[in-house]
Amino acid sequence: GAVVSQHPSWVICKSGTSVKIECRSLDFQATTMFWYRQFPKQSLMLMATSNEGSKATYEQGVEKDKFLINHASLTLSTLTVTSAHPEDSSFYICSVRPESYEQYFGPGTRLTVT
Amino acid sequence: DAKTTQPPSMDCAEGRAANLPCNHSTISGNEYVYWYRQIHSQGPQYIIHGLKNNETNEMASLIITEDRKSSTLILPHATLRDTAVYYCIVGRGAQKLVFGQGTRLTINP
Repeated sequence: GAVVSQHPSWVICKSGTSVKIECRSLDFQATTMFWYRQFPKQSLMLMATSNEGSKATYEQGVEKDKFLINHASLTLSTLTVTSAHPEDSSFYICSVRPESYEQYFGPGTRLTVT
Repeated sequence: DAKTTQPPSMDCAEGRAANLPCNHSTISGNEYVYWYRQIHSQGPQYIIHGLKNNETNEMASLIITEDRKSSTLILPHATLRDTAVYYCIVGRGAQKLVFGQGTRLTINP
């Protein structure tokens, strides 16, 4: 399967600042990447679908101006949490989907906003 | 997308087979059954998927009933490292995955 990395693995930031999370597909050129969010003791929730060279598609209820997604190349997608607040503290996970149907996930980034 | 129903938790003894059930009674003809698992504080890991026929790989076996309304994931010889939350998801191949609450499987020594 595909190998996906995320950076950073964890980050602490102050309320009101912005944080960028990188998702890299290391062995596969991904035209599509997915961003998920997971709160403690809850399941994963899809935030958006990142499309290389075009705008991301956001799920209902996800603020596109707050969660900026850039998929500038076939191996890199970034998620920027702008003006972060404590309620944005969560586990952010990206995934890629090769030609076959299964998805491969990154290790996740734990964001804590103080 | 069809929804799935899984027991919230299960226990299994180390070395025994772990059988995780999933109900998906509203699955449509072109929807696949996928299984993923998530070990604590990690990203989910793909396990297996199938459409109609039973499937087996190095990690697990997937048994799908003939009417496709339910399936069972089998871990043949569970180890402590198999302790995780297991998600059963149905959907068409190119669609996004919608995660439910999954089954928290605990392997006991």
